Parts: sequence; structure tokens; C-alpha cells
Amino acid sequence: GNSVTQMEGPVTLSEEAFLTINCTYTATGYPSLFWYVQYPGEGLQLLLKATKADDKGSNKGFEATYRKETTSFHLEKGSVQVSDSAVYFCALNDYKLSFGAGTTVTVRA
Amino acid sequence: NAGVTQTPKFRVLKTGQSMTLLCAQDMNHEYMYWYRQDPGMGLRLIHYSVGEGTTAKGEVPDGYNVSRLKKQNFLLGLESAAPSQTSVYFCASSGQYSTDTQYFGPGTRLTVL
Repeated sequence: GNSVTQMEGPVTLSEEAFLTINCTYTATGYPSLFWYVQYPGEGLQLLLKATKADDKGSNKGFEATYRKETTSFHLEKGSVQVSDSAVYFCALNDYKLSFGAGTTVTVRA
Repeated sequence: NAGVTQTPKFRVLKTGQSMTLLCAQDMNHEYMYWYRQDPGMGLRLIHYSVGEGTTAKGEVPDGYNVSRLKKQNFLLGLESAAPSQTSVYFCASSGQYSTDTQYFGPGTRLTVL
């Protein structure tokens, strides 16, 4: 079946640091890939997505590239802010969403 | 545009009590989903619906029932609550295809004592 494995947290960074959260997947078909973000006390919001191999999703300074050869969709941001503190979920959508366990990111001023 | 809304936001139940969680969406989406979120486990799919009048089991359906009598609403029922059902419940909806982006509600925090 489909599954998503993402980097365990928590991750603590200083403002303006570089952030990478690794995500790899297992799927039988050709799924769409997503990163969702959950801010404290809120629901999940779509951060970015990619629907086919080599697509790059980007939003709010975050980027992720759909790599079919390595079955990966790593999330990156070049300079984080305190407001980026949240839980980040990698997910794939073949016929339903499968989520990773989530990575908690804390950015210190 | 309200998107996906959930009621109630919080609820405390005693073991054995029943309750219904309501999800509503105003985006005319075909697909609706119920997930539960537990620490360290991400979100797990409970039940889903591919259109009005349809329901299907997800990954963790035991102890829950659902109904989709109207396209815009998706109800999640707990007939006899257990402490293991203490969780945060999220509803989501997506458009005409199962691979469309899912949009999430704000969640319901349920505690079963």
C-alpha cells in the first residue's frame, strides 16, 4: 500500500536558518504529493503540491520537488522566520490521502 | 467563503455516551473525509464519501459511523464512546476527483473520560 515517511522532529532552528524536512514515499501508482502545515490550535492548510515527476511546488518561500527516481519530496526554505513555527505534514494522494507522522518545527528569534 | 466548518470545537464525553460531529462545506465538493489526529501518528482516515448518499471505510473505521444525506454535510457518529477515541477529529473535502487538493476544517477536540 501507499505510505509516507518523513523526518522525525522536533526541529529547532534560529531565525534566518535553512530548513529541510525530508519526505520519502511508497506508492503503486503516480500520486500527487503535498505538504500541509498546521499552526498551533488550527487545522491543516495546504502549503504546496506537485502532481507529476519533476514538478516543483512553491509557496511562502517554501519549495519541494517531486523526485520519482528517489521517491522523495523534501521541503526546503532558505531563511525561516518565527512565524514558520508549526507542524509540517508530507502527504501523497493516489485515491486517498496518506500522511506522514508530521515534523514539529520551532524557530527561535 | 466559510470553506469547511466543524461543530462542536470541543467536547468531553463519558465512556459509553454517544455523540455526532458535524462537518459542512460550501465549495460544492464531491468528496468528504473524516480523519483523526493522534500524537506521533499523523492523520488517519476514518471514513470517507465520494458523493451524496455514499460512504466508505478508511483506515480506522471501527467504533464510528458516518452519513452523507446532503452533499454539503458529512456526519461522524460515535455510538458508544471509549477512551481510545480521545483525539482531534478533522473533516476535509475535495472536488470532483479523488486526487484533488483536500481542504480541512479547524478540528474538534474530543475527550472521552
